[in-house]
Amino acid sequence: DQQVKQNSPSLSVQEGRISILNCDYTNSMFDYFLWYKKYPAEGPTFLISISSIKDKNEDGRFTVFLNKSAKHLSLHIVPSQPGDSAVYFCAAITTSGTYKYIFGTGTRLKVLA
Amino acid sequence: KAGVTQTPRYLIKTRGQQVTLSCSPISGHRSVSWYQQTPGQGLQFLFEYFSETQRNKGNFPGRFSGRQFSNSRSEMNVSTLELGDSALYLCASSPSSVGTDTQYFGPGTRLTVL
Repeated sequence: DQQVKQNSPSLSVQEGRISILNCDYTNSMFDYFLWYKKYPAEGPTFLISISSIKDKNEDGRFTVFLNKSAKHLSLHIVPSQPGDSAVYFCAAITTSGTYKYIFGTGTRLKVLA
Repeated sequence: KAGVTQTPRYLIKTRGQQVTLSCSPISGHRSVSWYQQTPGQGLQFLFEYFSETQRNKGNFPGRFSGRQFSNSRSEMNVSTLELGDSALYLCASSPSSVGTDTQYFGPGTRLTVL
């Protein structure tokens, strides 16, 4: 049972345009969400997070939107750069009780120069 | 600070063998988590150790086990290897066992089971 889903395995975007990566979750107990980026031969690195009390969080070119009613979050990258080409994982956490990260399956983003 | 280190980086084993992977967290980090990454499955949580105690466990068979030492270094062991255990095994450390702590990942150990 995949509680966190990234339904697009891959995405290609032109340099300078917006990249939108999507993530859906099923467990309403999740109250904290994160995005990680992974380059080949490296471990994932933290990108941006959002608490369920917010619906938007920005950090430079990266913005995460959370729609709790739809159990959906998205990561917007504007403008996209070739160096953003990587696999992006969303992750969800329940901070009450026993927590553990639940990761999605990842979306491979390719930014075309 | 040095990052999370994992050894070995690559490993080839045959079915039925056992394997031990090692993870050294960032200095001062007391929580270490282990994940299995396979194509199409994303990162699957194996277990988390904090102060030498297993705090959380994912849905993996008992062949997968781990431990943490007093210096926070952690080992993961897989016994009776199966072909399906071929994967990238990632370890991540964080300062505490608080859910919202950012996790810092090592580069992973690529295990191939023949």
